[in-house]
Amino acid sequence: GPKVLQIPSHQIIDMGQMVTLNCDPVSNHLYFYWYKQILGQQMEFLVNFYNGKVMEKSKLFKDQFSVERPDGSYFTLKIQPTALEDSAVYFCASSLVKQDTQYFGPGTRLLVL
Amino acid sequence: GDSVTQTEGQVTVSESKSLIINCTYSTTSIAYPNLFWYVRYPGEGLQLLLKVITAGQKGSSRGFEATYNKETTSFHLQKASVQESDSAVYYCALGDSGGSNYKLTFGKGTLLTVTP
Repeated sequence: GPKVLQIPSHQIIDMGQMVTLNCDPVSNHLYFYWYKQILGQQMEFLVNFYNGKVMEKSKLFKDQFSVERPDGSYFTLKIQPTALEDSAVYFCASSLVKQDTQYFGPGTRLLVL
Repeated sequence: GDSVTQTEGQVTVSESKSLIINCTYSTTSIAYPNLFWYVRYPGEGLQLLLKVITAGQKGSSRGFEATYNKETTSFHLQKASVQESDSAVYYCALGDSGGSNYKLTFGKGTLLTVTP
């Protein structure tokens, strides 16, 4: 089936640094999502993005978070500055249309020290 | 808010035996919930196993079945005879078909281990 790629698979950074997580969505998809999963907890919705804009974000999507997809390339999640509680696995997803099946990437495991 | 509760932790089943993973949902905001089962096989990303968007309907895929029961707010996953290749983490999820945007609410996941 359609593949979503995420780069890097793992990232370790010091608290206060900036990090960018990259997602290569399915090529013709129009809707993009980020989810966060803290160890031992469920995957939780962060944000969805369409036509260059954030459509909806959850309370987990702090002011330090931002998303963009410049020129149709990677869909990115940037955290600046990072905090200890940002340590989690971040999953990217994409869908062709709003209510279509979401296809997920394998996740980026972020560890903030 | 919205929440999904599923069989917690790990389930171990012998090959060729039957399986049920329980899932119940709760929502205060979604008029017409859509229900999903996703699966993550070892080393792979999350992938859709089955989905049902209409209450009372049953979804099926790869020998798995789940029926959307609005009365009991449940969407249990069942399989009559599991195989070792079914070993994976299974996630129940709730979506909103009528909302202006579309996000999924997930359960914590259930690790299925099928033993030979």
